[in-house]
Amino acid sequence: AQSVTQLGSHVSVSEGALVLLRCNYSSSVPPYLFWYVQYPNQGLQLLLKYTSAATLVKGINGFEAEFKKSETSFHLTKPSAHMSDAAEYFCAVRGGGTASKLTFGTGTRLQVTL
Amino acid sequence: DAGVTQSPTHLIKTRGQQVTLRCSPKSGHDTVSWYQQALGQGPQFIFQYYEEEERQRGNFPDRFSGHQFPNYSSELNVNALLLGDSALYLCASSQTGTGANVLTFGAGSRLTVL
Repeated sequence: AQSVTQLGSHVSVSEGALVLLRCNYSSSVPPYLFWYVQYPNQGLQLLLKYTSAATLVKGINGFEAEFKKSETSFHLTKPSAHMSDAAEYFCAVRGGGTASKLTFGTGTRLQVTL
Repeated sequence: DAGVTQSPTHLIKTRGQQVTLRCSPKSGHDTVSWYQQALGQGPQFIFQYYEEEERQRGNFPDRFSGHQFPNYSSELNVNALLLGDSALYLCASSQTGTGANVLTFGAGSRLTVL
């Protein structure tokens, strides 16, 4: 079974500051890990994914995440926040096999202030 | 290239009624998954369809049922609606056998049960 824990339901940063959203996972098999973003009244958009290749994964809009097996973490970062980054961010995990069920965390709402 | 399309976008039902939600997958995708996202929560997996059969199911009662058609489109049916069924219902499609089976999400159908 797989699960993810997102630490911090709300994160507030100033525009231009570092963004750090935390995600820890639990998986009985080597995991695939994902970060999705959800803007108000919209569906989920894939930011980036880890699929057992490079541990540092670069995504869209300047986001990146590092897979750390020893810490069972997959934190999302962005060097400089922009107002347009304000949204809900979800970390998700899936195991191997043909079924692609994703297990999501509870989400972190990112607020960006001037 | 059209992504995942869902209909209707919003609907209101009363307790005890039945509802059908529809989803057309992204072109080239053959697998459809449905998720329920309650307000302030992460999406929860309902079930997945592949080759017109339910391949995997989450922890949802039998009131939730689905179907996949030969053109890969899908329907989600919910019977005997409860107030707690009020949520955003997300459809996601993917292509089986393509590495991490990355999901592409639609914008969702927001169901309100009164």
